[in-house]
Parts: sequence; structure tokens; C-alpha cells
Amino acid sequence: GNSVTQMEGPVTLSEEAFLTINCTYTATGYPSLFWYVQYPGEGLQLLLKATKADDKGSNKGFEATYRKETTSFHLEKGSVQVSDSAVYFCALTLIQGAQKLVFGQGTRLTINP
Amino acid sequence: EPEVTQTPSHQVTQMGQEVILRCVPISNHLYFYWYRQILGQKVEFLVSFYNNEISEKSEIFDDQFSVERPDGSNFTLKIRSTKLEDSAMYFCASSEYGRAGNEQFFGPGTRLTVL
Repeated sequence: GNSVTQMEGPVTLSEEAFLTINCTYTATGYPSLFWYVQYPGEGLQLLLKATKADDKGSNKGFEATYRKETTSFHLEKGSVQVSDSAVYFCALTLIQGAQKLVFGQGTRLTINP
Repeated sequence: EPEVTQTPSHQVTQMGQEVILRCVPISNHLYFYWYRQILGQKVEFLVSFYNNEISEKSEIFDDQFSVERPDGSNFTLKIRSTKLEDSAMYFCASSEYGRAGNEQFFGPGTRLTVL
């Protein structure tokens, strides 16, 4: 089946630290990969995406590279800010069929000043 | 900026009661979705809807669930006879297209509590 596994949270970092949130996937087809972010009290927002192998998605200083050989899509940021505190979800959709998102369990990130 | 809205933000109901969760997708979007997240668990797909019919549904989406687009703006999820295990956050989403890689825009969610 299709599934997404994220690193367990919560993750607590100091401001300006380097962030990595690991994400690996299992898919029967050729997926598109996403990172969504949920700020407190809000809905999920697309942070970045990649639709084919070796593509790099980037937004707001965050990056993730679609690695087909390791079935991974790790999220990174070089210097986190307090405002990055949120829950981060890795997700995939498949080319065939309706475009349902398959989510990982989410990783809660807290950045301390 | 256009956004997906959901009402109510929190719904409390007794087991066995019917509930209707409401969503207003972004106006030019054609594909609509419901997801849910039980506390501490993953966000799970429930159903997708296009051209006034269900495109795909998950195993969770049994006969107790139904969706409807009663007019040109609303998209509703009905649970006919709620169970304790239906307590969750329910997210509505919409997208302009249904192809791979297309962004889905999410509402803020409705927290359903079944007592």
C-alpha cells in the first residue's frame, strides 16, 4: 500500500538552529510529494512540493529533495525562527486515481528564542 | 486571498445524532475533499468529490457518511448516526484541478466531539 512515515516528534530547537525532519514513503506508483504546515488554529497550508525524482521544492527557507533511490523527502531549513513553530506533515499523491493525499503522522516543531 | 472556510469550528453532539459539517471551497475550484484527524493520529482521507459525484472514498467512509454540494458554494459532510469514534478534527479541502501535484487548499477544520 501507499504510506508516509515521518520522524517522531515533538522537536524542540533553539532559534537559528538547523532543522531536519525526516520523511520516507512507500508507494505503488510514482508519487508527487508534499510538505504541509499547520500553524496553531489554522488549516494545513502547502509549504513545498516536488513532482518528480531529484526535484527540489523550496519555500520560506525550507527545502526538500525528492530522492527516489531512498524513497525520501526530508525537510530542511538552515536557520529556524520562532515563527516556524508549527506541525509539519509530509504527504504524497499518486498520478493515477483521484488525488487523495496520504499523510504522515505529523511532526510538532517548537522553536525557542 | 481566497480561502476555504468551515463551520462550525467546534461541534459537540450526542452519540446517535446526525451532524452536518459545512465547507465553502474556493470559488473556482472543481475538486473537493474531506479528511479527518483523530487526536494523536494521522490525517486520513475520507472522500473526494468532482462533478457532483464521489470520485473516491476510503474504507472509513461507510454508509453513515454522505457528502453533498447543495448549491454552487457549499460542500457538506453528513454523519447520520454519530459514534464515539467519530470524534476527530474534520478538514475540508479543494483544488482547481485533479491532476498529480496539484495543491489542495485546506480549511481550518471542524472539531467534532461525540459524547
